Amino acid sequence: DAGITQSPRHKVTETGTPVTLRCHQTENHRYMYWYRQDPGHGLRLIHYSYGVKDTDKGEVSDGYSVSRSKTEDFLLTLESATSSQTSVYFCAARTGYDEAFFGQGTRLTVV
Amino acid sequence: AQRVTQPEKLLSVFKGAPVELKCNYSYSGSPELFWYVQYSRQRLQLLLRHISRESIKGFTADLNKGETSFHLKKPFAQEEDSAMYYCALVNFGNEKLTFGTGTRLTIIP
Repeated sequence: DAGITQSPRHKVTETGTPVTLRCHQTENHRYMYWYRQDPGHGLRLIHYSYGVKDTDKGEVSDGYSVSRSKTEDFLLTLESATSSQTSVYFCAARTGYDEAFFGQGTRLTVV
Repeated sequence: AQRVTQPEKLLSVFKGAPVELKCNYSYSGSPELFWYVQYSRQRLQLLLRHISRESIKGFTADLNKGETSFHLKKPFAQEEDSAMYYCALVNFGNEKLTFGTGTRLTIIP
């Protein structure tokens, strides 16, 4: 599993509530990423981090925020969940010229 | 801005037939390109990267800078190749990792 763990794996939440997804890595990767996977859209980058406390927006960042206070954890927060944020979320991590390693995914349903 | 395009959302190929999954990219620098695969109920994993120039599971991909393409090929499809395939590009200037929309490959027995 390359040391990437996402939690929770499944979540159902109500519209308007805040939600935080966690990505934890054990391999000291410098760069971390959050994607959402939707049919017909593939993997779209939400936010990414290039170091502790250093983050940047991806192509679909509206409605999402992230934090990385230590190397091993990258948190994705939906400030006020909407039905359009129902998706499968993937975390990835990589270092230097290496490949990216992925988590198992989190299936989020907003009702 | 960097962009990865995979024109085929779905591709069905008979077992034993050749496979080609298309990938085009737009990027102003020198690209680092990858193919990732997601088998059913598994996490995404690296299939191959252009810099290593190796063949994995019979797949190869050649970077064509003139056509800005990185198509994935296999001469003889096998049933276990059925999966979702993503082309990806890394921008080493800002470390952004961008994926295409993916191609779902189905091998027909």
